Amino acid sequence: GEDVEQSLFLSVREGDSSVINCTYTDSSSTYLYWYKQEPGAGLQLLTYIFSNMDMKQDQRLTVLLNKKDKHLSLRIADTQTGDSAIYFCAERENYGGSQGNLIFGKGTKLSVKP
Amino acid sequence: DAMVIQNPRYQVTQFGKPVTLSCSQTLNHNVMYWYQQKSSQAPKLLFHYYDKDFNNEADTPDNFQSRRPNTSFCFLDIRSPGLGDAAMYLCATSMDRSHNQPQHFGDGTRLSIL
Repeated sequence: GEDVEQSLFLSVREGDSSVINCTYTDSSSTYLYWYKQEPGAGLQLLTYIFSNMDMKQDQRLTVLLNKKDKHLSLRIADTQTGDSAIYFCAERENYGGSQGNLIFGKGTKLSVKP
Repeated sequence: DAMVIQNPRYQVTQFGKPVTLSCSQTLNHNVMYWYQQKSSQAPKLLFHYYDKDFNNEADTPDNFQSRRPNTSFCFLDIRSPGLGDAAMYLCATSMDRSHNQPQHFGDGTRLSIL
Protein backbone atom coordinates (compact mmCIF):
# COMPACT_ATOMS: atom_id res chain seq x y z
CA GLY A 1 0.00 0.00 0.00
CA GLU A 2 0.89 3.65 -0.01
CA ASP A 3 3.61 4.78 2.37
CA VAL A 4 5.02 8.14 3.44
CA GLU A 5 8.46 8.32 5.05
CA GLN A 6 10.03 11.16 7.03
CA SER A 7 13.05 11.47 9.24
CA LEU A 8 11.95 11.66 12.87
CA PHE A 9 14.05 14.52 14.22
CA LEU A 10 15.63 17.77 13.08
CA SER A 11 17.46 20.30 15.22
CA VAL A 12 18.42 23.79 14.01
CA ARG A 13 19.53 27.09 15.51
CA GLU A 14 17.23 30.08 15.59
CA GLY A 15 17.63 32.14 12.42
CA ASP A 16 18.86 29.23 10.31
CA SER A 17 16.81 27.54 7.59
CA SER A 18 15.15 24.20 8.28
CA VAL A 19 14.55 21.61 5.60
CA ILE A 20 12.19 18.74 6.33
CA ASN A 21 12.16 15.93 3.81
CA CYS A 22 9.51 13.40 2.86
CA THR A 23 9.25 10.55 0.36
CA TYR A 24 6.04 8.94 -0.81
CA THR A 25 5.17 5.92 -2.88
CA ASP A 26 1.92 6.70 -4.70
CA SER A 27 2.97 8.24 -8.00
CA SER A 28 -0.64 9.08 -8.81
CA SER A 29 -1.00 11.39 -5.79
CA THR A 30 -2.34 14.70 -6.98
CA TYR A 31 -1.96 16.78 -3.83
CA LEU A 32 0.65 16.63 -1.10
CA TYR A 33 0.26 18.39 2.22
CA TRP A 34 2.29 19.70 5.11
CA TYR A 35 0.70 19.91 8.56
CA LYS A 36 2.16 21.31 11.79
CA GLN A 37 1.31 19.96 15.22
CA GLU A 38 2.30 21.83 18.37
CA PRO A 39 2.39 19.97 21.70
CA GLY A 40 -1.08 18.97 22.87
CA ALA A 41 -2.79 20.51 19.84
CA GLY A 42 -4.41 19.38 16.62
CA LEU A 43 -2.96 19.54 13.14
CA GLN A 44 -2.65 22.90 11.44
CA LEU A 45 -2.60 22.91 7.65
CA LEU A 46 0.54 24.80 6.60
CA THR A 47 0.55 24.45 2.86
CA TYR A 48 -0.10 22.02 0.03
CA ILE A 49 1.14 21.55 -3.49
CA PHE A 50 -0.45 20.20 -6.62
CA SER A 51 1.54 17.51 -8.37
CA ASN A 52 1.98 19.51 -11.58
CA MET A 53 3.98 22.12 -9.65
CA ASP A 54 7.66 21.95 -8.76
CA MET A 55 7.68 24.66 -6.15
CA LYS A 56 5.33 26.70 -4.03
CA GLN A 57 6.33 29.61 -1.82
CA ASP A 58 4.29 31.14 0.97
CA GLN A 59 6.12 33.73 3.10
CA ARG A 60 8.82 31.82 5.03
CA LEU A 61 7.71 28.45 3.68
CA THR A 62 8.95 26.89 0.44
CA VAL A 63 7.73 23.52 -0.77
CA LEU A 64 9.74 21.65 -3.38
CA LEU A 65 8.36 18.64 -5.22
CA ASN A 66 10.43 16.20 -7.24
CA LYS A 67 7.79 14.02 -8.77
CA LYS A 68 10.28 11.74 -10.53
CA ASP A 69 11.92 10.82 -7.22
CA LYS A 70 8.64 11.13 -5.24
CA HIS A 71 10.38 13.50 -2.88
CA LEU A 72 8.80 16.45 -1.12
CA SER A 73 10.53 18.99 1.08
CA LEU A 74 9.46 21.86 3.31
CA ARG A 75 11.93 24.68 3.84
CA ILE A 76 11.35 27.15 6.67
CA ALA A 77 13.44 30.30 6.31
CA ASP A 78 14.66 32.21 9.38
CA THR A 79 13.44 29.50 11.74
CA GLN A 80 12.06 30.79 15.04
CA THR A 81 11.53 29.09 18.40
CA GLY A 82 7.80 29.22 17.69
CA ASP A 83 8.40 26.88 14.75
CA SER A 84 9.30 24.07 17.15
CA ALA A 85 6.66 21.40 16.50
CA ILE A 86 6.06 18.12 14.70
CA TYR A 87 5.64 18.44 10.95
CA PHE A 88 3.61 15.84 9.07
CA CYS A 89 3.83 15.17 5.37
CA ALA A 90 0.68 13.63 3.85
CA GLU A 91 -0.44 12.40 0.47
CA ARG A 92 -3.96 11.76 -0.73
CA GLU A 93 -4.74 8.27 -1.98
CA ASN A 94 -5.90 8.30 -5.58
CA TYR A 95 -8.05 5.42 -6.84
CA GLY A 96 -8.67 5.93 -10.52
CA GLY A 97 -9.94 9.46 -10.10
CA SER A 98 -11.77 8.74 -6.86
CA GLN A 99 -9.98 10.41 -4.01
CA GLY A 100 -9.14 8.41 -0.95
CA ASN A 101 -7.83 9.05 2.47
CA LEU A 102 -4.88 11.09 3.66
CA ILE A 103 -1.79 8.98 4.29
CA PHE A 104 0.45 10.59 6.88
CA GLY A 105 4.12 10.14 7.57
CA LYS A 106 5.20 9.57 11.17
CA GLY A 107 6.14 13.23 11.56
CA THR A 108 9.44 15.11 11.95
CA LYS A 109 10.03 16.75 15.30
CA LEU A 110 11.70 20.11 14.73
CA SER A 111 13.63 21.56 17.66
CA VAL A 112 14.83 25.14 17.39
CA LYS A 113 17.67 26.14 19.70
CA PRO A 114 18.09 29.81 20.67
CA ASP B 1 -12.46 32.10 15.15
CA ALA B 2 -12.12 28.36 15.79
CA MET B 3 -13.71 26.52 12.89
CA VAL B 4 -13.46 22.92 14.09
CA ILE B 5 -14.17 22.69 17.80
CA GLN B 6 -13.61 19.63 19.92
CA ASN B 7 -14.96 19.17 23.41
CA PRO B 8 -13.67 18.48 25.88
CA ARG B 9 -9.92 19.03 25.38
CA TYR B 10 -9.17 16.43 28.04
CA GLN B 11 -11.36 13.49 28.98
CA VAL B 12 -10.78 10.90 31.66
CA THR B 13 -12.89 7.78 31.85
CA GLN B 14 -12.77 4.44 33.59
CA PHE B 15 -11.90 1.16 31.97
CA GLY B 16 -15.07 -0.17 30.33
CA LYS B 17 -17.16 2.96 30.93
CA PRO B 18 -18.69 4.38 27.73
CA VAL B 19 -17.45 7.78 26.67
CA THR B 20 -18.49 10.25 23.97
CA LEU B 21 -16.29 12.86 22.33
CA SER B 22 -17.78 15.80 20.51
CA CYS B 23 -16.86 17.76 17.39
CA SER B 24 -18.59 20.74 15.84
CA GLN B 25 -17.77 22.84 12.81
CA THR B 26 -18.71 26.28 11.53
CA LEU B 27 -17.39 25.68 8.01
CA ASN B 28 -20.52 23.97 6.66
CA HIS B 29 -18.32 21.21 5.27
CA ASN B 30 -19.84 18.02 3.96
CA VAL B 31 -17.23 15.63 5.30
CA MET B 32 -16.27 15.01 8.91
CA TYR B 33 -13.48 12.65 9.94
CA TRP B 34 -12.33 11.04 13.19
CA TYR B 35 -8.68 10.12 13.69
CA GLN B 36 -6.90 8.37 16.54
CA GLN B 37 -3.34 9.49 17.29
CA LYS B 38 -1.18 7.65 19.77
CA SER B 39 2.00 9.09 21.19
CA SER B 40 4.73 9.73 18.58
CA GLN B 41 2.60 8.25 15.81
CA ALA B 42 0.81 9.56 12.76
CA PRO B 43 -2.96 10.08 12.95
CA LYS B 44 -4.92 6.98 11.99
CA LEU B 45 -8.29 7.38 10.31
CA LEU B 46 -11.13 5.62 12.13
CA PHE B 47 -14.09 6.63 9.95
CA HIS B 48 -15.70 9.55 8.20
CA TYR B 49 -19.12 10.87 7.27
CA TYR B 50 -19.78 12.22 3.81
CA ASP B 51 -22.98 14.09 4.51
CA LYS B 52 -25.07 11.33 6.12
CA ASP B 53 -23.14 8.43 4.64
CA PHE B 54 -20.97 6.66 7.18
CA ASN B 55 -17.66 5.20 5.96
CA ASN B 56 -15.83 2.91 8.33
CA GLU B 57 -12.18 1.94 7.90
CA ALA B 58 -11.70 -1.82 7.67
CA ASP B 59 -9.46 -2.03 10.71
CA THR B 60 -11.47 0.21 13.05
CA PRO B 61 -12.52 -1.82 16.11
CA ASP B 62 -16.25 -2.39 16.65
CA ASN B 63 -15.85 -0.64 19.99
CA PHE B 64 -15.76 2.68 18.11
CA GLN B 65 -18.96 4.17 16.75
CA SER B 66 -19.93 7.55 15.38
CA ARG B 67 -23.04 9.67 14.98
CA ARG B 68 -23.69 12.74 12.89
CA PRO B 69 -27.08 14.20 13.82
CA ASN B 70 -26.66 17.24 11.57
CA THR B 71 -24.10 18.99 9.35
CA SER B 72 -22.41 20.79 12.22
CA PHE B 73 -21.94 18.03 14.78
CA CYS B 74 -20.25 14.67 14.86
CA PHE B 75 -19.71 12.38 17.86
CA LEU B 76 -17.27 9.59 18.58
CA ASP B 77 -18.61 6.93 20.94
CA ILE B 78 -16.32 4.41 22.56
CA ARG B 79 -18.56 1.71 24.01
CA SER B 80 -16.14 -0.05 26.34
CA PRO B 81 -12.81 1.76 26.47
CA GLY B 82 -9.73 -0.32 27.09
CA LEU B 83 -6.31 0.87 28.20
CA GLY B 84 -5.15 0.71 24.59
CA ASP B 85 -7.72 3.33 23.59
CA ALA B 86 -5.90 6.07 25.49
CA ALA B 87 -4.89 8.51 22.75
CA MET B 88 -5.50 11.90 21.20
CA TYR B 89 -8.68 11.90 19.10
CA LEU B 90 -8.73 14.37 16.25
CA CYS B 91 -11.74 15.57 14.30
CA ALA B 92 -11.29 17.03 10.82
CA THR B 93 -13.55 18.41 8.11
CA SER B 94 -13.34 19.03 4.39
CA MET B 95 -15.69 20.58 1.87
CA ASP B 96 -15.89 17.29 0.03
CA ARG B 97 -13.62 14.36 -0.80
CA SER B 98 -12.08 15.95 -3.88
CA HIS B 99 -8.32 15.87 -4.02
CA ASN B 100 -8.03 19.65 -3.93
CA GLN B 101 -9.98 20.04 -0.70
CA PRO B 102 -7.67 19.96 2.33
CA GLN B 103 -8.77 18.69 5.71
CA HIS B 104 -9.06 21.13 8.60
CA PHE B 105 -8.41 19.77 12.07
CA GLY B 106 -9.64 20.62 15.53
CA ASP B 107 -7.34 20.80 18.55
CA GLY B 108 -8.17 17.26 19.59
CA THR B 109 -9.43 15.56 22.74
CA ARG B 110 -6.85 13.71 24.83
CA LEU B 111 -8.50 10.63 26.31
CA SER B 112 -7.10 8.95 29.41
CA ILE B 113 -8.33 5.62 30.75
CA LEU B 114 -8.11 4.80 34.45
